[in-house]
Amino acid sequence: ETGVTQTPRHLVMGMTNKKSLKCEQHLGHNAMYWYKQSAKKPLELMFVYSLEERVENNSVPSRFSPECPNSSHLFLHLHTLQPEDSALYLCASSQDKGWAEQYFGPGTRLTVT
Amino acid sequence: QKEVEQNSGPLSVPEGAIASLNCTYSDRGSQSFFWYRQYSGKSPELIMSIYSNGDKEDGRFTAQLNKASQYVSLLIRDSQPSDSATYLCAVRTSRGSTLGRLYFGRGTQLTVWP
Repeated sequence: ETGVTQTPRHLVMGMTNKKSLKCEQHLGHNAMYWYKQSAKKPLELMFVYSLEERVENNSVPSRFSPECPNSSHLFLHLHTLQPEDSALYLCASSQDKGWAEQYFGPGTRLTVT
Repeated sequence: QKEVEQNSGPLSVPEGAIASLNCTYSDRGSQSFFWYRQYSGKSPELIMSIYSNGDKEDGRFTAQLNKASQYVSLLIRDSQPSDSATYLCAVRTSRGSTLGRLYFGRGTQLTVWP
């Protein structure tokens, strides 16, 4: 596979469930990002990892928990979400932590019921 | 104050026309500017980056940057129905704790009709 991949592509979960989103980049990049995209709102940066170290946590509620086991993989663990968390969750990567050109995965469409 | 502002549109142009998409930003020290295209139900795709004042051309796309006016635009020549998408402007900041962070506008929805 090439580029940035994400699984699952669609997810429906109840407010008491626990699930995880997965992202994998095949570009040899050193930085990875989680964004949230809601209708009629700009892309919101959630987390940034550089060389497996979290360098930014953008005031995200603790019900979202990121994990970066290596520079190619990024997870977003979800638990006790709220309906307003329903959105498109996008993973991106860039060459380095200098925040250069970012390349996005296809996203996970999350619906919280 | 919003970091990056775009007209939400929709912008509608006939096939073959020039589509002009505009973006303003608040951080005067910003150095890097990007345009992403997002088709409905898909993720953003990087189509242009520009770093210095003036024009940058890539095929039918031209990015224009005016740092004095804090303004960046994207022109699409000979617009095609396949160009119909939402175009996101992104600006890389230069200040403080958010150094280097990308800020996105809400996007402008473009429709090219045959």
